[in-house]
Amino acid sequence: QSVLTQPPSASGTPGQRVTISCSGSSSNMGRNNVHWYQQVPGTAPNLLIYSSSQRPSGVPDRFSGSKSGTSASLAISGLQSEDEADYYCAVWDDSLNGWVFGGGTKLTVL
Amino acid sequence: EVQLLESGGGLVQPGGSQRLSCAASGFTFSNYAMNWVRQAPGKGLEWVSGISGNGGSTYSADSVKGRFTISRDNSKNTLYLQMNSLRAEDTAIYFCAKDFNSNYPFDHWGQGTLVTVSS
Repeated sequence: QSVLTQPPSASGTPGQRVTISCSGSSSNMGRNNVHWYQQVPGTAPNLLIYSSSQRPSGVPDRFSGSKSGTSASLAISGLQSEDEADYYCAVWDDSLNGWVFGGGTKLTVL
Repeated sequence: EVQLLESGGGLVQPGGSQRLSCAASGFTFSNYAMNWVRQAPGKGLEWVSGISGNGGSTYSADSVKGRFTISRDNSKNTLYLQMNSLRAEDTAIYFCAKDFNSNYPFDHWGQGTLVTVSS
């Protein structure tokens, strides 16, 4: 059982907007920024959003992140087939003194 | 261009040891914290251990404390993970990942090396 809770799956049709949630606690999400990673199966993860809402260079602005209290969300607008992947949230946990990941959300583009 | 290349994976018996390496290039290695993150077959990501740029601070997940040791050799631009007392549940792809800073973590990843713990 992961410290951060994500829905195991999400889906949408091309062009749609989908959101993926990530729920934590006061020792992690309540105090620290959340970061999001995209992983196409069989490849290494890729940083998608850092510091809750910032995009690294090269990440399309279709991807956006937000955080409020102990919850965060990743939104993908204008869904494309290439967005089909697993998405993970990550936060530093002050009680565990280490990084924690969500269990991951498998996004299917119908 | 940042490159991280892991090596050292393979088949190891339960209770055995293995040392993983991650050769880094394309950036000033000693300026950045580094991490090991693993992924069991068909499962999600699990952070294993992290180390500061100068090697003076290390952090580990409870699941590996006392068994795994992270270290680095900045003269060789190489990150290591010494794994002892290996268990079946340690079977995973092990990725090394670089931090830009604490608010910009895991900004580059290697392709991973598979460790299989089985008799």
